Amino acid sequence: AQTVTQSQPEMSVQEAETVTLSCTYDTSESDYYLFWYKQPPSRQMILVIRQEAYKQQNATENRFSVNFQKAAKSFSLKISDSQLGDAAMYFCAYRSEETSGSRLTFGEGTQLTVNP
Amino acid sequence: NAGVTQTPKFRVLKTGQSMTLLCAQDMNHEYMYWYRQDPGMGLRLIHYSVGEGTTAKGEVPDGYNVSRLKKQNFLLGLESAAPSQTSVYFCASRTDRVGYGYTFGSGTRLTVV
Repeated sequence: AQTVTQSQPEMSVQEAETVTLSCTYDTSESDYYLFWYKQPPSRQMILVIRQEAYKQQNATENRFSVNFQKAAKSFSLKISDSQLGDAAMYFCAYRSEETSGSRLTFGEGTQLTVNP
Repeated sequence: NAGVTQTPKFRVLKTGQSMTLLCAQDMNHEYMYWYRQDPGMGLRLIHYSVGEGTTAKGEVPDGYNVSRLKKQNFLLGLESAAPSQTSVYFCASRTDRVGYGYTFGSGTRLTVV
């Protein structure tokens, strides 16, 4: 079974600075997707960024980018120019393309605080 | 608005009581999921469905049952609630088309006393 590990339960960053959230995963599969989700206090799950395992290029969405190291099974999220609205719980998630159901496996989450 | 609707949003149960959580989606999605979220454990999959009339166990299925009699609805049942089932429950749905993402409901906070 696949596992996803986020080793940083909490992180903090100053407004306008850059922060990196770590995520590692364990799988024997070669075809999969990786995701970062943001969960603000409203509890809504918001997709931040997605990476397809067969793509070498790291995904980028505005101020959010990933460092995808497939051999190391690492998938970190970098938030540049942090804003107060970025404060939230962030979840890393894995989806296999080789098993049925397109199920997501989540990490434990990292609570990000943005200080003004 | 199109999306995933969960009812109720909050509920307090006594140990041993039963209840059903309803998830409804209006996007004609094939796949539906029930997750529970607990502090320090992320979201864990309880049960899922790959189409009308189908259900399958996820990571933590014990104490729960599900049904998908209609494509748009996915019901999660607790037959005899236990304090360990105190959690926030999320429903999600997804099309079976490649490259499309998930839509999550806003969650149900359940407390079992």
